[in-house]
Amino acid sequence: DAGVIQSPRHEVTEMGQEVTLRCKPISGHDYLFWYRQTMMRGLELLIYFNNNVPIDDSGMPEDRFSAKMPNASFSTLKIQPSEPRDSAVYFCASSFLGGPTEAFFGQGTRLTVV
Amino acid sequence: SQKIEQNSEALNIQEGKTATLTCNYTNYSPAYLQWYRQDPGRGPVFLLLIRENEKEKRKERLKVTFDTTLKQSLFHITASQPADSATYLCALPSKRAAGNKLTFGGGTRVLVKP
Repeated sequence: DAGVIQSPRHEVTEMGQEVTLRCKPISGHDYLFWYRQTMMRGLELLIYFNNNVPIDDSGMPEDRFSAKMPNASFSTLKIQPSEPRDSAVYFCASSFLGGPTEAFFGQGTRLTVV
Repeated sequence: SQKIEQNSEALNIQEGKTATLTCNYTNYSPAYLQWYRQDPGRGPVFLLLIRENEKEKRKERLKVTFDTTLKQSLFHITASQPADSATYLCALPSKRAAGNKLTFGGGTRVLVKP
């Protein structure tokens, strides 16, 4: 397996534009997580899914953020409208069975909003 | 919510020496604790998991301890090598029971000098 695949690797957009980040989890994994990493706040969990169903979205900063998982092999994180403070590295991770098992992270998407 | 503290200052160490990193947490004691490694521009990579009933866990040159009384985990890299230079993150489940929502510490950067 190629691991968790995220696209794009880098995204530069203007304030107010819509941004969509994509993630393909490892096949067979039933948990998918979206994290955001910044120097100030470290790695924060935004939302996670179990069997394509959102379980906890309490980390989503505000209504401008939304996430979907239409099937077991694809998820998106959308920011609309984007703001400069959304600039960060966004990671997708997946795991099997959840609980005390390791999470496999993608390479991340570095988002810059100017 | 769980608060995790890792030394934010970088740890500079000479090749061959043992690096020791600390992870302290507040509130409840988790059912397990994980350590990850993160290289610049990449996602975290799982290293070790230790459960609350385990005092110590080893993997090659890595050793992790878990003291639920002190609410602390120590991460040791023995016979350190320049290739060990990276940021190391500890992670705990956000709920007392073995759960899926991991909270990460801010990480400690390790620099091993030849």
